[in-house]
Amino acid sequence: EPEVTQTPSHQVTQMGQEVILRCVPISNHLYFYWYRQILGQKVEFLVSFYNNEISEKSEIFDDQFSVERPDGSNFTLKIRSTKLEDSAMYFCASSEARGDSSPLHFGNGTRLTVT
Amino acid sequence: GQNIDQPTEMTATEGAIVQINCTYQTSGFNGLFWYQQHAGEAPTFLSYNVLDGLEEKGRFSSFLSRSKGYSYLLLKELQMKDSASYLCAVRDHLRGATNKLIFGTGTLLAVQP
Repeated sequence: EPEVTQTPSHQVTQMGQEVILRCVPISNHLYFYWYRQILGQKVEFLVSFYNNEISEKSEIFDDQFSVERPDGSNFTLKIRSTKLEDSAMYFCASSEARGDSSPLHFGNGTRLTVT
Repeated sequence: GQNIDQPTEMTATEGAIVQINCTYQTSGFNGLFWYQQHAGEAPTFLSYNVLDGLEEKGRFSSFLSRSKGYSYLLLKELQMKDSASYLCAVRDHLRGATNKLIFGTGTLLAVQP
């Protein structure tokens, strides 16, 4: 069964550094998402991406965050200057179509630790 | 505003049946999803409801009442491997053209022998 893949599985970085989290969505999917989950808390929406542009973003997704689809397969999340509170599990997800019944398929996540 | 409520924790016995409730208040509604999440892993899709009623899928069933803003996930013949968090999520369609899901805090289910 096709799956969303994310790399790296764990990233440790120092405060103020830039990080890029990578994702390869399922190949025939058209909608892409980033979510984050701080330890012990709920899964929070960050951003959705369709047709090579951001379609919606949350209040969390401020100027320090950006997303990109640099080629036909990768989907990246960049945090320009990391803060301690950015430590979380970051999940990439994709969905097949805009149809209401299309579930989001999640990758295994990247655990980001900012020290 | 958006609000999705679930019990924080539940405990059940292997072989038994458990019902996990979810209530929601969202500005739009276009479907309710249940996901399972084992510790440290990704959420995996379990079920989808958009019309009132019960959807059955093997040992798992999900019910929706749109007028009451209420859903439940029913797990039958519980197995130890069912110990996980169960996330209720709503597709809110009023804001923009995305398919994003809004998640509740999840219910941590512990299955005991």
